[in-house]
Amino acid sequence: SQTIHQWPATLVQPVGSPLSLECTVEGTSNPNLYWYRQAAGRGLQLLFYSVGIGQISSEVPQNLSASRPQDRQFILSSKKLLLSDSGFYLCAWCPQPPGIDYGYTFGSGTRLTVV
Amino acid sequence: GENVEQHPSTLSVQEGDSAVIKCTYSDSASNYFPWYKQELGKRPQLIIDIRSNVGEKKDQRIAVTLNKTAKHFSLHITETQPEDSAVYFCAAYADSSYKLIFGSGTRLLVRP
Repeated sequence: SQTIHQWPATLVQPVGSPLSLECTVEGTSNPNLYWYRQAAGRGLQLLFYSVGIGQISSEVPQNLSASRPQDRQFILSSKKLLLSDSGFYLCAWCPQPPGIDYGYTFGSGTRLTVV
Repeated sequence: GENVEQHPSTLSVQEGDSAVIKCTYSDSASNYFPWYKQELGKRPQLIIDIRSNVGEKKDQRIAVTLNKTAKHFSLHITETQPEDSAVYFCAAYADSSYKLIFGSGTRLLVRP
């Protein structure tokens, strides 16, 4: 069966520090991969998505970037964090096309607090 | 760009009553419409979905309806229970764009 792993679960980082969040998927090949951010009490904002190795599409211009160095690995990075980067970061995957038996499935999330 | 609007933002019902949440989408190419339930501090969990070639789908107490002409879809929960209390998100996906766009969420409170 397919599983998605995301880490760390929580993170407290000072303003101006770098960030690296990692997401991996097991049990499938060539998944579509996504990064979402959810501010406290708010909805889900799509940040990046990838349909293949090295293919990254950005939805919102900001100081974040994403990379997909391997088929089932998706990384969210920042060189210098801002206070506004605080939030709940969720990785997700789906096959093409998605369906209830195969995803769209979210990882357990990383709660990032920038101080 | 693509947009999904969701109403109401909050909904309070008595236990046993029905709850209805409505969404509209803008991208006519959207062909997959999932609904997610998110409990406090947890990841969204898929509860039901529908593809564009189907008008209605039911799974026990929850059902989803889709009107492609009007670009509307709705979630119906019958015989609500306190454990149904959560935030519910609708979403729309187009195979051509690979993106799942979410509505802003509905906070459902089921009063015992």
